[in-house]
Amino acid sequence: DAKTTQPTSMDCAEGRAANLPCNHSTISGNEYVYWYRQIHSQGPQYIIHGLKNNETNEMASLIITEDRKSSTLILPHATLRDTAVYYCIVRVARNTPLVFGKGTRLSVIA
Amino acid sequence: NAGVMQNPRHLVRRRGQEARLRCSPMKGHSHVYWYRQLPEEGLKFMVYLQKENIIDESGMPKERFSAEFPKEGPSILRIQQVVRGDSAAYFCASSPDRGNSPLHFGNGTRLTVT
Repeated sequence: DAKTTQPTSMDCAEGRAANLPCNHSTISGNEYVYWYRQIHSQGPQYIIHGLKNNETNEMASLIITEDRKSSTLILPHATLRDTAVYYCIVRVARNTPLVFGKGTRLSVIA
Repeated sequence: NAGVMQNPRHLVRRRGQEARLRCSPMKGHSHVYWYRQLPEEGLKFMVYLQKENIIDESGMPKERFSAEFPKEGPSILRIQQVVRGDSAAYFCASSPDRGNSPLHFGNGTRLTVT
């Protein structure tokens, strides 16, 4: 699976958009980008995933660059409850394990 | 639709005892994955199972650890003769057998070895 690079930590003011970047420059054509988050010691929570088109759901938006070498997860109006570690993962094939890196620790500040 | 259910939530074992961790996947999901998270560390993949079959156990320690996902009932992660280093959170995830559906995780079992 392609390796991803994320900033170690980020801060965001409550109510503002949180934009979390991810580099995956070695991604290949059939690899999907997945985003998960882990709040404190809970189980990882699925957020969104995509292949090449931008995606949006009730939680977030995923913007993938045209060359697919990077992506951005956008939380449109961050709240204190969005404080968590966010993981960007690329996955080569269906029904294969996800490989978690260190992620980005997002702190939402009041 | 109930999510991935893991039990127990907390398990305390003395060194040398056996630990059994259970995972009931989401309804309609036939793929189960086990992960371990040591204190202050990241999530590490252990094993991937489909009903009655182990597909990938590349992350499983070679000794004392085993996993099964029988035709009926939950998936079981079994740790024999536990040691203090086995103390961790163990997470289970499941996915359906279609496309690139995401994995959905349970809230884990926290194993403490005394």
